[in-house]
Amino acid sequence: DTGVSQDPRHKITKRGQNVTFRCDPISEHNRLYWYRQTLGQGPEFLTYFQNEAQLEKSRLLSDRFSAERPKGSFSTLEIQRTEQGDSAMYLCASSKVGWPQHFGDGTRLSIL
Amino acid sequence: DAKTTQPPSMDCAEGRAANLPCNHSTISGNEYVYWYRQIHSQGPQYIIHGLKNNETNEMASLIITEDRKSSTLILPHATLRDTAVYYCIVRVGGTDKLIFGTGTRLQVFP
Repeated sequence: DTGVSQDPRHKITKRGQNVTFRCDPISEHNRLYWYRQTLGQGPEFLTYFQNEAQLEKSRLLSDRFSAERPKGSFSTLEIQRTEQGDSAMYLCASSKVGWPQHFGDGTRLSIL
Repeated sequence: DAKTTQPPSMDCAEGRAANLPCNHSTISGNEYVYWYRQIHSQGPQYIIHGLKNNETNEMASLIITEDRKSSTLILPHATLRDTAVYYCIVRVGGTDKLIFGTGTRLQVFP
């Protein structure tokens, strides 16, 4: 069990640029979740997948955000035309159905 | 979705038991109570969960009241490494998504 892996750990970009984050879940976990966390707040749910199907998206996930899990293994989260308000920690978690979620250490995004 | 209420901060002496309370008065019958903690710059770490019975594992104990409207996480012998933000969460059935609040910042002092 190598844990949930996220890449990169830190990303600094200019406003208006596109960014993509990657999450590798624990193997055999069929559910994968994305959360966003801003300073001083708890994580907020963004979206989740069961295998390759995206089953729910939060209203927080604007049209500039897109997530994929093409083969039911790793997932990517892309943000287009980044804005200052996108600065946050983006967390990925995985689990088997009905089991506790295990989180990665996140990707910290800073928008200049 | 059920909401939880926790005190914003607590202190505990090293070696003593830390008792972290949580109110979840609107919890539904099939919703589980989960506890996670987050140490600075790391992702949340799963601690324990329960439905209506008290639970214990190697990290902590979870005491849930009979009416399920509140619960207490107990760290029996707190260490400095237990300093973290502790989140009490009600897990939404079906999707299993977690609705975090702002948590309790536990400071363990020597």
